[in-house]
Amino acid sequence: SQKIEQNSEALNIQEGKTATLTCNYTNYSPAYLQWYRQDPGRGPVFLLLIRENEKEKRKERLKVTFDTTLKQSLFHITASQPADSATYLCAYMEYGNKLVFGAGTILRVKS
Amino acid sequence: DAGVIQSPRHEVTEMGQEVTLRCKPISGHDYLFWYRQTMMRGLELLIYFNNNVPIDDSGMPEDRFSAKMPNASFSTLKIQPSEPRDSAVYFCASTGQGYGYTFGSGTRLTVV
Repeated sequence: SQKIEQNSEALNIQEGKTATLTCNYTNYSPAYLQWYRQDPGRGPVFLLLIRENEKEKRKERLKVTFDTTLKQSLFHITASQPADSATYLCAYMEYGNKLVFGAGTILRVKS
Repeated sequence: DAGVIQSPRHEVTEMGQEVTLRCKPISGHDYLFWYRQTMMRGLELLIYFNNNVPIDDSGMPEDRFSAKMPNASFSTLKIQPSEPRDSAVYFCASTGQGYGYTFGSGTRLTVV
């Protein structure tokens, strides 16, 4: 069965640097992957969606890539800020409209 | 739009009691989802509705859990009887386009 794997260890980076988060899937290529941000005590917030036939998608300081050969999506935040500190979740759509989430990666941006 | 509204924000109850969580989706969204989040298992989909009809309840852990959506603007998740292992944060989410879910702020349930 399909699994989504994200780095369980927190990513600590310095303000101004580029943060890169990884999402690996184990089986078939999903039609698209979604990325969400979750702050403590809040629900996840949708950030970006990338389709299987898209190599890259951008939104302001955010960039997502989708590599079907590596079975991987990368999520980049350029010029990171302390306000970017949060948990970032990758998700794929299983059959029907069943959205399955990875465990998430905690990002800490230090000033 | 006020977003997805969940109530209560926090619920503390004793084992064996009935718990009812409430959700108001975004107007016009025809999909509604109930998720549960724990440190051990992350975000798990419990059940989802399309146009008020339950489509997939395979994630509902036991018969103690039930969910209803009597109309397009209201859904409930009920646990009866509650157990300590049900302690978690329960999220409701909605979407009108199949992706880009909008989540509520969640209900933190503690069963003692």
